[in-house]
Amino acid sequence: DIQMTQSPSSLSASVGDRVTITCRASQTISTYLNWYQQKPGRAPKLLIYAASSLQSGVPSRFSGSGSGTDFTLTISSLQPEDFATYFCQQSYSPPWTFGQGTKVEIK
Amino acid sequence: EEQLVESGGGLVQPGGSLRVSCAASGFSVSSNYMNWVRQAPGKGLEWVSVMYSAGNTAYADSVKGRFTVSRHNSMNTLYLQMNSLGPEDTAVYYCARIGFYDGNSAAFDIWGQGTMVTVSS
Repeated sequence: DIQMTQSPSSLSASVGDRVTITCRASQTISTYLNWYQQKPGRAPKLLIYAASSLQSGVPSRFSGSGSGTDFTLTISSLQPEDFATYFCQQSYSPPWTFGQGTKVEIK
Repeated sequence: EEQLVESGGGLVQPGGSLRVSCAASGFSVSSNYMNWVRQAPGKGLEWVSVMYSAGNTAYADSVKGRFTVSRHNSMNTLYLQMNSLGPEDTAVYYCARIGFYDGNSAAFDIWGQGTMVTVSS
């Protein structure tokens, strides 16, 4: 199975800050990498697919980059509604696996 | 609107069985790759199973031989039959559709609200 490792596990940031979350795969996955946002008590929501493509309706302050084994999710200017947990997920080969999550908290 | 609604969760004793359901609207479960993904309390996301449009299935090693995914095409509903349940199966169970992008990339693009399964005596 492909292992996905996110860092950091949590971070504290202020509204307006630039935030970067990283995700590393245990083997190369090309650009078969997705990012999800999950708020407490809610289902995950797809933000980014294919490493860098923005899902319809997702604000442009979210962006993704990377290929191979190393990927990043960037929020250019953190907004109050962005405080949530973010997960990466590989779609290169089943079983599809997720990172352990990064919780973005208010500083 | 494309939507998934899960039901059937609850409290079950260790060793027991439970079936959860996922009703789809706005699209056909039989034409899509439909999945179950679970999340233990305070933990991350774990893919559980998939039913492909052709009807074949796959499972995570942690549930293989105990869980069975099926669908009822005319009711447009996906099911997960869970047997020999243990405390480690306690989680919110989400159904999720795989959407395909650019002809090749895949992602879980539609999720239900989840149904809680608690395994405890």
